[in-house]
Amino acid sequence: AQTVTQSQPEMSVQEAETVTLSCTYDTSESNYYLFWYKQPPSRQMILVIRQEAYKQQNATENRFSVNFQKAAKSFSLKISDSQLGDTAMYFCAFAPIYGNNRLAFGKGNQVVVIP
Amino acid sequence: ETGVTQTPRHLVMGMTNKKSLKCEQHLGHNAMYWYKQSAKKPLELMFVYSLEERVENNSVPSRFSPECPNSSHLFLHLHTLQPEDSALYLCASSLQVPGDGDYGYTFGSGTRLTVV
Repeated sequence: AQTVTQSQPEMSVQEAETVTLSCTYDTSESNYYLFWYKQPPSRQMILVIRQEAYKQQNATENRFSVNFQKAAKSFSLKISDSQLGDTAMYFCAFAPIYGNNRLAFGKGNQVVVIP
Repeated sequence: ETGVTQTPRHLVMGMTNKKSLKCEQHLGHNAMYWYKQSAKKPLELMFVYSLEERVENNSVPSRFSPECPNSSHLFLHLHTLQPEDSALYLCASSLQVPGDGDYGYTFGSGTRLTVV
């Protein structure tokens, strides 16, 4: 079974600053997807960014980028130029490409952007 | 809206009531999921339907009964629940087999369930 670990329970960041969330995972799979999801107070779980493990290039999506270290099984999320709308719980998630492709989630990180 | 719609948004029910949660998607996805989200816990996968067939039931008590009448609709029937079942129940959908590039789960906004 896959496990996903997020160890920073709550983080505050000033508007326009940068914040980095860490995530590690444990798997014996070689091909998989990694995701960061955002859950604002509206409760909608929104996909922020996705990384395919077979791609060496780190994914970026506007102000969101990841640092994917496959050997270390590490997948951190960087939020640049933080905005008030970035305030949310952020969940790291893992899904193998083959076989049981269920999403396994970490416990989440609360990010609060301060004006 | 992401394309996955859940109703009702809020539900308060007594322990002897019977109610149902509904989930609907028109994204062309062929797998649907129920998750339970409790405070301070990771999301718990409850049920998985793939091509309208239940393929996974993660030791969920029988007071939760899922139903998937077609690939676009998923229900969670509730009866004789306990206060510890109070949580946010999230529905999600995806393609059964990941394609290239755009694989991922799409979630609804959830039903906030309170059992009194």
